[in-house]
Amino acid sequence: RKEVEQDPGPFNVPEGATVAFNCTYSNSASQSFFWYRQDCRKEPKLLMSVYSSGNEDGRFTAQLNRASQYISLLIRDSKLSDSATYLCVVNRGSYIPTFGRGTSLIVHP
Amino acid sequence: GAVVSQHPSRVICKSGTSVKIECRSLDFQATTMFWYRQFPKQSLMLMATSNEGSKATYEQGVEKDKFLINHASLTLSTLTVTSAHPEDSSFYICSATSSGQGGTDTQYFGPGTRLTVL
Repeated sequence: RKEVEQDPGPFNVPEGATVAFNCTYSNSASQSFFWYRQDCRKEPKLLMSVYSSGNEDGRFTAQLNRASQYISLLIRDSKLSDSATYLCVVNRGSYIPTFGRGTSLIVHP
Repeated sequence: GAVVSQHPSRVICKSGTSVKIECRSLDFQATTMFWYRQFPKQSLMLMATSNEGSKATYEQGVEKDKFLINHASLTLSTLTVTSAHPEDSSFYICSATSSGQGGTDTQYFGPGTRLTVL
């Protein structure tokens, strides 16, 4: 089983839709979790950290389920500009990051 | 704040030559820098972790004699691809972390270097 797994998609949704991605991780000792966004041929950019209590930033909500070892990202009211690849990052001990393969989102008019 | 630069952004070289890529944290001191490689439609693969003043820690399967990493200061790390071959063609990205920026394990990425070996 891969350390971090994501459904590669693509998720093809209309503008205004709500879409959710999950990311599962195998190492129960993982300590911190993030969602990054990567546009085509560009570097990843931090979207948000994921806390045990869940956190929200505008249209984006991230949650962590330690018992089931997954994190989720919910995007409400999708915009065309949300089209990108969303990378799940899990830090194992000593803050060594492991990236998921990414989930591709395409928002169409 | 938290800007990371990489140079060059793009390089084309002949097989057998060596290529050096620089990664700089411009407005913070990076206690740790990471080097990644990303092939088309693949995830970022961590190559190595480097801490200032110490030897880099390489991930399994990454040849340390081929990918030389130097982290001489808190703002600069370099990756040298020695005797490059066409299969080394990839997108190389560095990232930096600092305890003073967004938490110890928030990574800030450089814009990447696209290497093409002919």
